[in-house]
Amino acid sequence: NAGVTQTPKFRVLKTGQSMTLLCAQDMNHEYMYWYRQDPGMGLRLIHYSVGEGTTAKGEVPDGYNVSRLKKQNFLLGLESAAPSQTSVYFCASSSPTRSTEAFFGQGTRLTVV
Amino acid sequence: KQEVTQIPAALSVPEGENLVLNCSFTDSAIYNLQWFRQDPGKGLTSLLLIQSSQREQTSGRLNASLDKSSGRSTLYIAASQPGDSATYLCAVESDYGQNFVFGPGTRLSVLP
Repeated sequence: NAGVTQTPKFRVLKTGQSMTLLCAQDMNHEYMYWYRQDPGMGLRLIHYSVGEGTTAKGEVPDGYNVSRLKKQNFLLGLESAAPSQTSVYFCASSSPTRSTEAFFGQGTRLTVV
Repeated sequence: KQEVTQIPAALSVPEGENLVLNCSFTDSAIYNLQWFRQDPGKGLTSLLLIQSSQREQTSGRLNASLDKSSGRSTLYIAASQPGDSATYLCAVESDYGQNFVFGPGTRLSVLP
């Protein structure tokens, strides 16, 4: 009963390095989301996907790219990390019927130095 | 643009008290509203989901109400326990969007 799994859980990057965060869900959900959570800012949507092969920008997309090649996976990429991207990143998934709750992963704590 | 606020920002109560957390949203065109719980360093756990056509939902000691026309929701916690200590977030899903807009949360401490 995994739900939403994020990999890795922690990471420290140097400015300019790149990395990919992986989100996997086993609930056959169509919708997937990437949020970042910062003190005093709450959770803000970075990118989202309404189905395999589709992606769309959220509130704070700059500096990030995403891909949804498989329905169960949603990848978040940072091409050139900046200290401003230090944050906790959460992935979520939900059903398009909107009649059931959204499920969140445990988060990835990223520090860019 | 939908904006969600939560009052109070923090709350400290003795064990056994009943308490109310408040959530307000600016655009009443919502599809549903969810209350989440977040423990320190952890992810979000969904507590209650209220569809826009519903007035309230209950789960154990938790009761959430929704007044869509006035843009308000409340989360009522009965007989609070130290294990209820966490941050409580509300989030709304708009009719026309495919994402959740979150409030900043209420940090609850229940003292033994």
